[in-house]
Amino acid sequence: GAGVSQSPSNKVTEKGKDVELRCDPISGHTALYWYRQSLGQGLEFLIYFQGNSAPDKSGLPSDRFSAERTGGSVSTLTIQRTQQEDSAVYLCASNPPYPNTGELFFGEGSRLTVL
Amino acid sequence: GQNIDQPTEMTATEGAIVQINCTYQTSGFNGLFWYQQHAGEAPTFLSYNVLDGLEEKGRFSSFLSRSKGYSYLLLKELQMKDSASYLCAVRDESGANNLFFGTGTRLTVIP
Repeated sequence: GAGVSQSPSNKVTEKGKDVELRCDPISGHTALYWYRQSLGQGLEFLIYFQGNSAPDKSGLPSDRFSAERTGGSVSTLTIQRTQQEDSAVYLCASNPPYPNTGELFFGEGSRLTVL
Repeated sequence: GQNIDQPTEMTATEGAIVQINCTYQTSGFNGLFWYQQHAGEAPTFLSYNVLDGLEEKGRFSSFLSRSKGYSYLLLKELQMKDSASYLCAVRDESGANNLFFGTGTRLTVIP
C-alpha cells in the first residue's frame, strides 16, 4: 500500500507477556518514529530511527521497551513483561528526506490492551 | 523540556468559526504543526508554520507568533465532519525532526 502499515491493529495480552508490534513505513522514507497515545493523552515520543544512524531512544519509558529497524525499512517495537499501564495505541510514523518539512505520515496504530 | 498547552475540549456550531489556541514553551523551536485526528484513526497533517504570521489553506488557517510562543488553528464554515481532535506539535532543533505533541483539543461540531 501507499501508506504506513502497522500490525496487529489490535492486541490483547496478559500481564507479564511479551508483545511485538510491527511498522512498515512508506517506501523511500528514511525516518521512522514510534509514538504512544494513552487514553485522553497526547502523543508521547518513544524512539526515532534515521537511516543508518544510531536511533534516538530517549523516549523509551523503561528497559522493557526496545525497537529495531531492519534494512532501513520495517521496524519492530517490543515490549517485554507487559504491564497494565502499557495499554495504549502505539503509532508509527515516517517522513521522507525531501521535502524536509518535518511532516509525519502516521499509520493507524496498534491498540494494545494488557489485562 | 517541552511544554505544549491547548484546551481539552471545545464545542462549536455547524457553519460557525472556531479558533483553537496552542501555547508552547520548548527548549528549541524549528516549526509548529497542526494535525487532525478522527476517533480511531491516524493523525493527518493540516498545517505547518515556521515564520510568524498566518498560513491559509482553504477553510483552515494557522497563525504563529514565535515571540509569544503562541499559535492558533482557525476553522471556518464548520462542518459536522470537522468533529475531531486537533493536535498541536512543535519540532525541536535537534535535526531529528522530532515532534512534541500537546494533548490535543477535542472539537465537537453540533447542528
